[in-house]
Amino acid sequence: EPEVTQTPSHQVTQMGQEVILRCVPISNHLYFYWYRQILGQKVEFLVSFYNNEISEKSEIFDDQFSVERPDGSNFTLKIRSTKLEDSAMYFCASNPTGQDYGYTFGSGTRLTVV
Amino acid sequence: AQSVTQLGSHVSVSEGALVLLRCNYSSSVPPYLFWYVQYPNQGLQLLLKYTTGATLVKGINGFEAEFKKSETSFHLTKPSAHMSDAAEYFCAVRVLGNTPLVFGKGTRLSVIA
Repeated sequence: EPEVTQTPSHQVTQMGQEVILRCVPISNHLYFYWYRQILGQKVEFLVSFYNNEISEKSEIFDDQFSVERPDGSNFTLKIRSTKLEDSAMYFCASNPTGQDYGYTFGSGTRLTVV
Repeated sequence: AQSVTQLGSHVSVSEGALVLLRCNYSSSVPPYLFWYVQYPNQGLQLLLKYTTGATLVKGINGFEAEFKKSETSFHLTKPSAHMSDAAEYFCAVRVLGNTPLVFGKGTRLSVIA
């Protein structure tokens, strides 16, 4: 069964450093998403991406964050100048048409900012 | 905007007992409703979904949920709990169009032998 692949599974970074989280969505999907889950808390929407541009973003997704689909297969989340509170599990998801389908989620990247 | 409330952050049942995880939603337009399961140190796996049509939907691993519009509920049930059902369960809602999934806070299910 097709799956969404995320790398790395775990990343540790120093506060103030930039990190790039990588995702390979399912190949025929058109909509892509990033969510995050701070330990013990709910899964929160960050951003959705369609047709090479952001279609919606939450208030969490401020200027510190950016997304890109650099080569038609990868979908990346960049976090500039990481803060301690950015420590979380980050999930990538994709969806074929954006309508009534559920999303397919990757297994996540656990980001630890020290 | 739509939202989801999951009653009970932690539910504990005995093996073989009924599992009932509660979810209520708020939406001004017809919702699409989902249940996801998260096993320890893993991603989110779709259990089942309601979009249109039959209000009782069956999912994987013997789970089912019933959409009740009058009660704005989408509770998840399983007749007989198994040890392998121990996980975090998330109810989620979205509406027509490319709107993002909105998750509840999750319910951790423990199954006691």
